[in-house]
Amino acid sequence: EAGVTQFPSHSVIEKGQTVTLRCDPISGHDNLYWYRRVMGKEIKFLLHFVKESKQDESGMPNNRFLAERTGGTYSTLKVQPAELEDSGVYFCASSQAGPQGGWLHEQYFGPGTRLTVT
Amino acid sequence: DAKTTQPNSMESNEEEPVHLPCNHSTISGTDYIHWYRQLPSQGPEYVIHGLTSNVNNRMASLAIAEDRKSSTLILHRATLRDAAVYYCILRDLRNNLFFGTGTRLTVIP
Repeated sequence: EAGVTQFPSHSVIEKGQTVTLRCDPISGHDNLYWYRRVMGKEIKFLLHFVKESKQDESGMPNNRFLAERTGGTYSTLKVQPAELEDSGVYFCASSQAGPQGGWLHEQYFGPGTRLTVT
Repeated sequence: DAKTTQPNSMESNEEEPVHLPCNHSTISGTDYIHWYRQLPSQGPEYVIHGLTSNVNNRMASLAIAEDRKSSTLILHRATLRDAAVYYCILRDLRNNLFFGTGTRLTVIP
């Protein structure tokens, strides 16, 4: 079974440009999460999808970040325009749906996308 | 968000048991205790979780204090592949993970 995949593995862009990160969760996983680690800080939660719906986006830093999950399969995270402080590693994770519409505990993480804004 | 406190680093000899402590004095009744680890250049990896009772799985054991204000992750025989940063996380009802700084485990051959 394929794990969570993320593309690209590394992206270097200039300040003010736009970047789109992609995450393909494990097939059949309804829950999809985005996290990020910016320089020297801890890994921080960004948002959580259940299928195509945003369950919780309380961690999104500002309106320069837009996440989508059309069709409830893969997800994209767009940063527009990118700023220097957006540099870091962006992780995607997925988990199965649990009983009664809840979730199972284990989240499976992808390898991350390293974003460098110059 | 509830906080956890872990030592910054620990060392262990290969093939010896490792006890990684975590304090979470502000834990609420509905918080689960999760442990993840992150190997170099990889995303975090689930290790184990528990609520009140001690738990065992193929990777590790989790010992939870009776008052739930602390827990210990136990690796029964450390191998070189266990060298990683170990995160103790309190997971709330939203199932979102809030990572702290973790404990960097070094395994000495």
